[in-house]
Amino acid sequence: EDKVVQSPLSLVVHEGDTVTLNCSYEVTNFRSLLWYKQEKKAPTFLFMLTSSGIEKKSGRLSSILDKKELFSILNITATQTGDSAVYLCAEETSYDKVIFGPGTSLSVIP
Amino acid sequence: GAGVSQTPSNKVTEKGKYVELRCDPISGHTALYWYRQSLGQGPEFLIYFQGTGAADDSGLPNDRFFAVRPEGSVSTLKIQRTERGDSAVYLCASSYSGVGANVLTFGAGSRLTVL
Repeated sequence: EDKVVQSPLSLVVHEGDTVTLNCSYEVTNFRSLLWYKQEKKAPTFLFMLTSSGIEKKSGRLSSILDKKELFSILNITATQTGDSAVYLCAEETSYDKVIFGPGTSLSVIP
Repeated sequence: GAGVSQTPSNKVTEKGKYVELRCDPISGHTALYWYRQSLGQGPEFLIYFQGTGAADDSGLPNDRFFAVRPEGSVSTLKIQRTERGDSAVYLCASSYSGVGANVLTFGAGSRLTVL
């Protein structure tokens, strides 16, 4: 059965720190790995990863996928209080099902 | 519409009652997903539509839950004989379908509280 695991489940850091969030997945019909940020209500899209070893970058956020080891990491450098949110990792299967992990709750304190 | 619209935003009901939650996806999005999210957890897959048909309803927890999308646009999630354990935020998302296109756009959710 397809499954997504994230670690840590929660994390508290100080502004300016760098954080690494982990996502591992078990899949029989993998198509892509997705990262979302959820602040209050609706998750918002961050990255879609389909190929191993190719880093996706957006400002202070970056992500990379390892399809051999079945994991992905999301890095946030120079964290700010506005980065406080739940970060969700999701796996898209080849039959269009999208399965989410439990999320990592990140708190950035001044 | 410009985004995914969900109504009601909040619903409080009593145990045993019937509820309907509505989702209006982005115009032109053929794929529509329902998820349930409890406090401190990730979204739990319920059902996914491709057009009018349910492509995968394996996440519906039991036969009290049912969803329809009769014209391939608006979808309604129906919950019969609600139980306290049904209390959660119900999220709807839509996307284009096809390889690499499943970047879901979420609505703000419907928070259901069963007393």
